[in-house]
Amino acid sequence: SAVISQKPSRDICQRGTSLTIQCQVDSQVTMMFWYRQQPGQSLTLIATANQGSEATYESGFVIDKFPISRPNLTFSTLTVSNMSPEDSSIYLCSVDPRAGFSEAFFGQGTRLTVV
Amino acid sequence: ELKVEQNPLFLSMQEGKNYTIYCNYSTTSDRLYWYRQDPGKSLESLFVLLSNGAVKQEGRLMASLDTKARLSTLHITAAVHDLSATYFCAVDIRRGGSNYKLTFGKGTLLTVNP
Repeated sequence: SAVISQKPSRDICQRGTSLTIQCQVDSQVTMMFWYRQQPGQSLTLIATANQGSEATYESGFVIDKFPISRPNLTFSTLTVSNMSPEDSSIYLCSVDPRAGFSEAFFGQGTRLTVV
Repeated sequence: ELKVEQNPLFLSMQEGKNYTIYCNYSTTSDRLYWYRQDPGKSLESLFVLLSNGAVKQEGRLMASLDTKARLSTLHITAAVHDLSATYFCAVDIRRGGSNYKLTFGKGTLLTVNP
């Protein structure tokens, strides 16, 4: 199994500011995934982060708003830029379910509130 | 585009009763996941179903997969209050090479009442 540590676990931010969320995995993985879960909703994939290349963004998500870094095989960051109240969500990172794991593991999530 | 439909979206049960949550998906996949989410928490993996006819059971929960019908079920037996949570199914599809994507259903909010 994989242990995924995500931080911060929660934050309250002012609109117009940016927040960087960190995700650390206890083993090397090729792909990491970032999801958003808006209040009362399901999970939506934001982007896939491969080490050594630019992240691949899903429709409706852009790099300027959600820049992602993937400096090595165990770590990734997601930045939520120029935040507005609509960005209030839970953000979760996950690892490739086929990278030797039997399932898709998720971090603890970051609960973001923008005021 | 893959669509994953769960029903019901809301389920209120009495303790001791049985019920089934359904997950339909629109394209070929060879992995289906069930997750549980408690309020304010992350996702807890319940089952991974890998092949047609797969059935897995853990406690009062049993999941099955019919890839031909593109249908998975999560059956709850003799519900207890501790099962109250939101349950998600997610379908894993290949998008080329080794690139996969999980698409989630909308979730079923289960409330078990005494």
